Parts: sequence; structure tokens; C-alpha cells
Amino acid sequence: GQNIDQPTEMTATEGAIVQINCTYQTSGFNGLFWYQQHAGEAPTFLSYNVLDGLEEKGRFSSFLSRSKGYSYLLLKELQMKDSASYLCAVMDSNYQLIWGAGTKLIIKP
Amino acid sequence: NAGVTQTPKFRVLKTGQSMTLLCAQDMNHEYMYWYRQDPGMGLRLIHYSVGEGTTAKGEVPDGYNVSRLKKQNFLLGLESAAPSQTSVYFCASSYQADSNQPQHFGDGTRLSIL
Repeated sequence: GQNIDQPTEMTATEGAIVQINCTYQTSGFNGLFWYQQHAGEAPTFLSYNVLDGLEEKGRFSSFLSRSKGYSYLLLKELQMKDSASYLCAVMDSNYQLIWGAGTKLIIKP
Repeated sequence: NAGVTQTPKFRVLKTGQSMTLLCAQDMNHEYMYWYRQDPGMGLRLIHYSVGEGTTAKGEVPDGYNVSRLKKQNFLLGLESAAPSQTSVYFCASSYQADSNQPQHFGDGTRLSIL
């Protein structure tokens, strides 16, 4: 079967750095997406990786290792507004997204 | 810039009632999707469409029907609502289904079945 694993919840301090991990087992791989979802709102696109390595976008970076079935989202200089759920999703061989349950990130002052 | 608009935002139904959820997008996207989101689970695909007049089943299609009569609209129907269908429903759209085209989501419909 297809499976995406992420930690359920993480806590970090304002101004610090946090790394959210995602491991996956899917039938085929056509890229990995990270989305941010604030409580009661829609998921919004953060990043996309299809090749191994690090993609940097401002305070957010995403890393992929296809051989290990592993990705992480790195958030730097954490702000209170970063409190949200972070969803990892893999595009499988049928170009459908398989979603993880999400990681709820709590930022403390 | 509206993006993806879902109506209604909230609805309470009784078991056995029917209803239709409407999704509209103004980005000229070919692909549209209906997901449900339940606590502790990832988004699950109900049905999707790769273009006007076409629909296909996703991971959890039972109890739902869809139609895509116009490119910009994607309707999700519940013919006979059941308490197990209590969920938050999200519509999404994308230009293409492949590789780096992200899906854009509506704000969701919170549906409770009593």
C-alpha cells in the first residue's frame, strides 16, 4: 500500500529553527509537495521537490532524498504566524497526490 | 482574484437527505478534485476531473457523485447522506496533473450529518 508518515505534532520557539520530516512509500514518484494549512483554512502550496537536494525559498527550505523515501521541511526564524499544520504529499505514478496526515506546529513565544 | 470558491461553507443535514456542493474556479484550470479531510488522516481523493465532461473515481468514491458540465464548475453530490460523511470537503484545481503544477484549494465546506 501507499503510505506517508509525518510526526503528529511539534513544538518550537519563536525565532528558532524547526525541521519537519516526511517519509513515504508510494507506487511511483512524480514529485513531493509541502503545503501549509492554518486551522479552519485551505491548504496553500509551499514547495515542490522532484530531484534530490535542497530547494530554498526565503525562510522555508525543502529537502528530498528519493533513494531513502525521505523529505524534510526546514523553517527558519520562526514567527508566531508559522503556527499551522504542514502537509506532505507525494505524486504517485498515476499523477495523483497521496497525502500525509499533517504535522501540527505550535510556536511558543 | 477569487481562485477556487466553494459553496456553501457550512451545512447540517439529516441522515438520508441529499445535497450538492458547488466548486467554481476562475483560473482556466483543466483539472479539478474533490477531497475530504478527517481528523488524524490525510486528505483523501473522492472524485476528480481531467476536463469538461469527464470525471473519474478517486480513493473513496462510494456515496458520492460528481459532474463537470462546465470547465469552471465541479459539483459534488450526496444522494443519501450518512453520518460517516461528516467531514470537511475541499475542492482543488490545477492547470495540469503532472509534475510541478500545484493544486489550488478552496476554503472548504464543513458538513455535519446528524
